[in-house]
Amino acid sequence: AQSVTQLGSHVSVSEGALVLLRCNYSSSVPPYLFWYVQYPNQGLQLLLKYTTGATLVKGINGFEAEFKKSETSFHLTKPSAHMSDAAEYFCAVSGNSGYALNFGKGTSLLVTP
Amino acid sequence: DTGVSQDPRHKITKRGQNVTFRCDPISEHNRLYWYRQTLGQGPEFLTYFQNEAQLEKSRLLSDRFSAERPKGSFSTLEIQRTEQGDSAMYLCASSSNKNQAGNTIYFGEGSWLTVV
Repeated sequence: AQSVTQLGSHVSVSEGALVLLRCNYSSSVPPYLFWYVQYPNQGLQLLLKYTTGATLVKGINGFEAEFKKSETSFHLTKPSAHMSDAAEYFCAVSGNSGYALNFGKGTSLLVTP
Repeated sequence: DTGVSQDPRHKITKRGQNVTFRCDPISEHNRLYWYRQTLGQGPEFLTYFQNEAQLEKSRLLSDRFSAERPKGSFSTLEIQRTEQGDSAMYLCASSSNKNQAGNTIYFGEGSWLTVV
């Protein structure tokens, strides 16, 4: 079985500051890892995903994440926060034996002027 | 590519009534998923279809819930005898099977259910 834990249900950063959203995973098989963003009253949009290969993954809107097997982590970062980044962010995992995603509880990102 | 479409977007129903949600996946996506999301929580997996076959069901899918995908295209999720605890957003998603488990799953905008 696969699961993810998102550390920090709320994160607040100033506009222009570094964004760091934490995700740790648990998986008995090589994991496939995803970050999704959800704006109010909308569905989920894929930011980036790790399947195999390069461990540093670049996504949309300037976000990136690094797969660290030794730390079982897949933290999401962005060098400089914009007001438009304020949203709910979800880390998710799937494994070879299943195709459905298991999501974390989400981290709400607040960006202050 | 019009994306995953869900209907209705919002539904308010009285406890005990039946409701049905429809999902139209991205064309040519053979995999279709239903998730449930409550306020402040991440989406929870309900069920998954490959073409018309329902291959996986979560323990969350009680016997009041039924999902179908009769022709391998659109899908319906029916909730019978609704309870207040069913109030949530029901998300539909779809993907292709070209790269197996690493395929991107695309989500619809969701259908909000409020049971009063």
